[in-house]
Formats: sequence, structure tokens, C-alpha cells
Amino acid sequence: AQSVAQPEDQVNVAEGNPLTVKCTYSVSGNPYLFWYVQYPNRGLQFLLKYITGDNLVKGSYGFEAEFNKSQTSFHLKKPSALVSDSALYFCAVRASGNTPLVFGKGTRLSVIA
Amino acid sequence: EPEVTQTPSHQVTQMGQEVILRCVPISNHLYFYWYRQILGQKVEFLVSFYNNEISEKSEIFDDQFSVERPDGSNFTLKIRSTKLEDSAMYFCASILGRGTQYFGPGTRLTVL
Repeated sequence: AQSVAQPEDQVNVAEGNPLTVKCTYSVSGNPYLFWYVQYPNRGLQFLLKYITGDNLVKGSYGFEAEFNKSQTSFHLKKPSALVSDSALYFCAVRASGNTPLVFGKGTRLSVIA
Repeated sequence: EPEVTQTPSHQVTQMGQEVILRCVPISNHLYFYWYRQILGQKVEFLVSFYNNEISEKSEIFDDQFSVERPDGSNFTLKIRSTKLEDSAMYFCASILGRGTQYFGPGTRLTVL
């Protein structure tokens, strides 16, 4: 069975500093990995995904994530945080095909001006 | 840009009542999903739907739940007799094939 761990409930970072939101996963076979962001009272907005290819994936709003197979990790990163990046971030994994997503519990990112 | 839409945005109901949550997936997508998020908890899979039938469902999706695609555009989730613990945000998602599931804005269901 698939699982996702987001070890941090909350990440605080100063505006302009780099940010990292951590995610590790467990899945049988090759993983399909995703990051979604949720702003208050809004739905889940897709940020980026890894399915195959380069381990460094670039997504929306300057975010990127690095797939590390040996560490089974898919950490979300951004070189310079903005106050508007403050939101709830979810890492998700699925096995193959169109199987359902399994989500982590989410990490609340707070960017302080 | 095409997007998944959901109605209503907020539904308040009395315990034991039936509710129907509606979703319009992206028009050329083939696979449809319902997820829910209880306040403060993670997003959980309920059911997936393809080719007019359920393809997978979780333990949460018991006999009180049903899904339907009544026409070429809508995808509905029905809860027959709501319980207090059904209070949650319900998200619809769709996908064309392999790749990214796109989520709607959600319906907040409050059961009193």
C-alpha cells in the first residue's frame, strides 16, 4: 500500500529566504509523485509532478521538487519565498495508471515579511 | 483554462437527510474521483469512476454513498442518510488518462 509522510506540520520562513517542505513516500513499483497547494477556503491546486525523467522537476510559481529514489523523498523547494506562498501544501503519491492519490497530512507554510 | 467545478460551495443539512454533491469534470476527461477532507485532517480517497462504473472505492465509501454520471457532463456524489461525521470538504477530481488529477474547489458539507 502507498503512503506519504510529511514530517513537519508547520514551516516558517522569512520572505526572500529559500524554503523546503519535506515529503517521503512508500509505493510498490515506480512512483507518480505530486505536490498540491491549498489556499484558505479553496480547492487543491496542482503545483508539479514527477512521473519519469529528470529528477529535478519545475512547476508553477517558481516551485521545484527533487525526486530522490534512494531516500524515497520528493521535497518541495523554492529559492526565494514570497508572503503569497503562505498556504497548506500536500504531497501525494500513486502507483501506476489511474489509481487514486494517497496524500500526506499536509504542511502549513508561513512566509513572514 | 478548463477547470473542474463543484456545486454547491457550502451545504448545510440535518442528520439523516440525503444530500447530493455535484461536479462538472473537465470536458474531455475520462476518469473521475471523489475525495474528502475532514477539517484539519488529510485528504482521503472515496471513489473512482470510469466508463460509467465504479472502478475503485475505499472503506469509507459504504452503502450510504453512491455516485452517478447522469449525463455527459455531471458527476454526482449522493449521501443517503447523513451522519455528523460526514461533515467535511468534498473534492471532485478528473483526469484524462495518465498524469495529473485536477481538483475542483470543493463543497463544504456541514451536518447538524
